Amino acid sequence: AQSVTQLDSHVSVSEGTPVLLRCNYSSSYSPSLFWYVQHPNKGLQLLLKYTSAATLVKGINGFEAEFKKSETSFHLTKPSAHMSDAAEYFCVVSDRPYDMRFGAGTRLTVKP
Amino acid sequence: DGGITQSPKYLFRKEGQNVTLSCEQNLNHDAMYWYRQDPGQGLRLIYYSQIVNDFQKGDIAEGYSVSREKKESFPLTVTSAQKNPTAFYLCASSRPGSPDTQYFGPGTRLTVL
Repeated sequence: AQSVTQLDSHVSVSEGTPVLLRCNYSSSYSPSLFWYVQHPNKGLQLLLKYTSAATLVKGINGFEAEFKKSETSFHLTKPSAHMSDAAEYFCVVSDRPYDMRFGAGTRLTVKP
Repeated sequence: DGGITQSPKYLFRKEGQNVTLSCEQNLNHDAMYWYRQDPGQGLRLIYYSQIVNDFQKGDIAEGYSVSREKKESFPLTVTSAQKNPTAFYLCASSRPGSPDTQYFGPGTRLTVL
């Protein structure tokens, strides 16, 4: 069975410093992996998607994630945090059509 | 503008009442989905529909029902059988052939009084 674990429920950074949101996954197959962002009381927006091409995936708003099969990880990074990055971030794994498993989410706080 | 609309944004209902949440999309997507989100948890799939007049149960379908009479619309009914319906409900859709890339609506927050 596929599953995903987000290792931090809350991450706090200062504006202009790097962001690291950690995600480990479990899958019996070659999965697709995603990061979504959710601002308060809004729907989710796709940040980036990995589908067995390049292991380093670039997304929107300067975010990127690296797929590491040996570590079963898909951590999300950004070199310099902006106040507008404050939101909830979800790591998602999918190894079958129509079946996406969401992590519990990581709330990112950005301090001025 | 293309997108997914959900209405209402906030919904209140008394215990024992059924309530229907609306989801409409003008993206010409074949597949549509309903998720439930609770505080501190990820999204959980309630139902999904690959095409008109067809739908499948997700992980937490008990106490919910759906219909898919039109491609653009996928309403969700929360019945009185749902024991803990207070939650944030999200509708999504996906293009043909890309079920793992989903586009989400803004959500409906349901509160049972």
